[in-house]
Parts: sequence; structure tokens; C-alpha cells
Amino acid sequence: QVQLQESGPGLVKPSQTLSLTCTVSGGSISSGDYFWSWIRQPPGKGLEWIGYIHYSGSTYHNPSFKSRVATSVDTSKNQFSLKLSSVTAADTAVYYCARGNNNYPYHFDFWGQGTLVTVSS
Amino acid sequence: DIQMTQSPSSLSASVGDRVTITCRASQSISSYLNWYQQKPGKAPKLLLYAASSLQSKVPSRFSGGGSETDFTLTISSLQPEDFATYYCQQSYSTPYTFGQGTKLEIK
Repeated sequence: QVQLQESGPGLVKPSQTLSLTCTVSGGSISSGDYFWSWIRQPPGKGLEWIGYIHYSGSTYHNPSFKSRVATSVDTSKNQFSLKLSSVTAADTAVYYCARGNNNYPYHFDFWGQGTLVTVSS
Repeated sequence: DIQMTQSPSSLSASVGDRVTITCRASQSISSYLNWYQQKPGKAPKLLLYAASSLQSKVPSRFSGGGSETDFTLTISSLQPEDFATYYCQQSYSTPYTFGQGTKLEIK
């Protein structure tokens, strides 16, 4: 059974960079069938897809984040990471990492438990 | 971006009821439609993919239908553990987008 676990600071100051890591266990991050995603959910609101990364390093980031998002993968540690720069209070949310299964159609079949990141001074 | 609109936004029902939730896409997405269930404080859980394919270990009382722009999620006989929020999600084109959610509450 694949498991994902987010880790990182729960509090980030405005204008700083939010950094999170997702550790994958029970399966290899290097499988070609999967694109590893970040999804967020502001308190009491719906889900927003941030983007994905493939183990090869190929990425796609939601244009709504403009150029604030960066993702990376470390296959030796079976981890992938998210950096979101210039954060504001609007970036306060539960951040989930998820496995994107690229078998038709692309769907998120395993999720981390989520981590709440609060942007506040 | 493809906009996904769910209806209703909230729904009250009783154990044993049959309920249907609708999801409409702003353009045709073929069958590139997935459904998730989310309980309070928990991560979403995949229920169905490709509009009508049941994810492993999901009870058969859940079913999905539709194609192009109009989709449905049906729960044939509500169980106490089904009271949750449900989201549709399109994977026809990036950026992938979700519906706003339908909260299913106990009547």
C-alpha cells in the first residue's frame, strides 16, 4: 500500500517561501506511470491543484500561481517537494501531496493526510 | 481553464435513500472525470475514475455516469459513513480542476 506524508513548517511569514516535502513509502517514486502532485484546500473551501512533477523532472504548474511555484524530486530519498514564494494570507491552506495515476484518465489515487500551513506574521 | 460546477451544493438525505449529485463541465471532457469523497479533517478519497469505473475497494452502491459535459454520482442506498463532501475533478486538460463540492448531510 502506497503511503504519502507531507512535512514542513506549519507557519510561514508573509512574503516568505513556503516549503513542503512529501515522502512516499510502499512504492517507488520512479515509476513512469505516476505524476506526483500538490493540491491545496483553504479552510472551509474547495480543492485547488497546484501542479505535478514526474520522476524524470518533467513538471507542470498551474498558471494561476504565476511563477511562484517550484517543484523538485529526489528519487534517492523517494521524496518530492514544493516551494511557493511570496506567500500571502490567501495561501493559508491544507496542502496535500498525492499520487497522480497517469493511466486513463489521470486521477489522484493516493493522498497524504495533509498539512496545514498558515501564513501570518 | 475548464470550470466544473456541481449541484446541489448541499443535500440532506436519510440512511437508505438514493441520492444523485451532478457535475457539469464548461466544455466537453469526454469521460475524463473523477469523483472523490472527503470527510472532515481527512484527505479526499478516490471513488470513481473515467466517469464510471469504481476504484478498488469502493462499495458498489457508488456509481457514476455521463460523458462530454454532464456527469452524475449516484449512491444507491445511503449508509451512515457516506455523509461527507463529494468533489468531481476533470483531467481532460491542464490545469486539472475540481468542482466546488457537494456536502451530503443527514436529514
